[in-house]
Amino acid sequence: AQSVAQPEDQVNVAEGNPLTVKCTYSVSGNPYLFWYVQYPNRGLQFLLKYITGDNLVKGSYGFEAEFNKSQTSFHLKKPSALVSDSALYFCAVRDGSGNTGKLIFGQGTTLQVKP
Amino acid sequence: DGGITQSPKYLFRKEGQNVTLSCEQNLNHDAMYWYRQDPGQGLRLIYYSQIVNDFQKGDIAEGYSVSREKKESFPLTVTSAQKNPTAFYLCASSIVESTPRLFFGEGSRLTVL
Repeated sequence: AQSVAQPEDQVNVAEGNPLTVKCTYSVSGNPYLFWYVQYPNRGLQFLLKYITGDNLVKGSYGFEAEFNKSQTSFHLKKPSALVSDSALYFCAVRDGSGNTGKLIFGQGTTLQVKP
Repeated sequence: DGGITQSPKYLFRKEGQNVTLSCEQNLNHDAMYWYRQDPGQGLRLIYYSQIVNDFQKGDIAEGYSVSREKKESFPLTVTSAQKNPTAFYLCASSIVESTPRLFFGEGSRLTVL
């Protein structure tokens, strides 16, 4: 069965410092991986996705993610955090095969960026 | 502006009552989804539809029902059979492809008293 895990409930970082939000996955076949962000009481917004190719994927708002097949990880990164990056971040993997947007989500990681 | 509109944003109901959550999109997407969000559990798929007049159960469909009579609309009914309906409900849509980006609505928070 496909699954993703986000090992940290919360990540704290100072503004201007680099940030990493961790995600590991377990899939049979090729992994199709996503990151979404959610601000309080709002819907989710797409940040980036990995399908194949370059292991470093660039996304919205200066975020990027590094795919590591040997470690089955897909960590979200940003070189310099902003206070406005504080939000709930979800890693997700496509569920099953075929043309579907069905996703399996991790439990989420709250990012707190302090001034 | 194109997007997904969910209503109502907040809903309070008594136990045993059915409630219907609305989801409308003007993105011309074929696929629509309903997810449930509970604190610390991420999102779980309730139902999805890839074409009008057809829909499939997700991982937690028990106690819920949907319809897809129009491309733009995918309402979710939370029935009295749903044992723990208090949650944040998110509707999403996408094009039909192998790895589509999901576009989410703002969500509906249902509280059962």
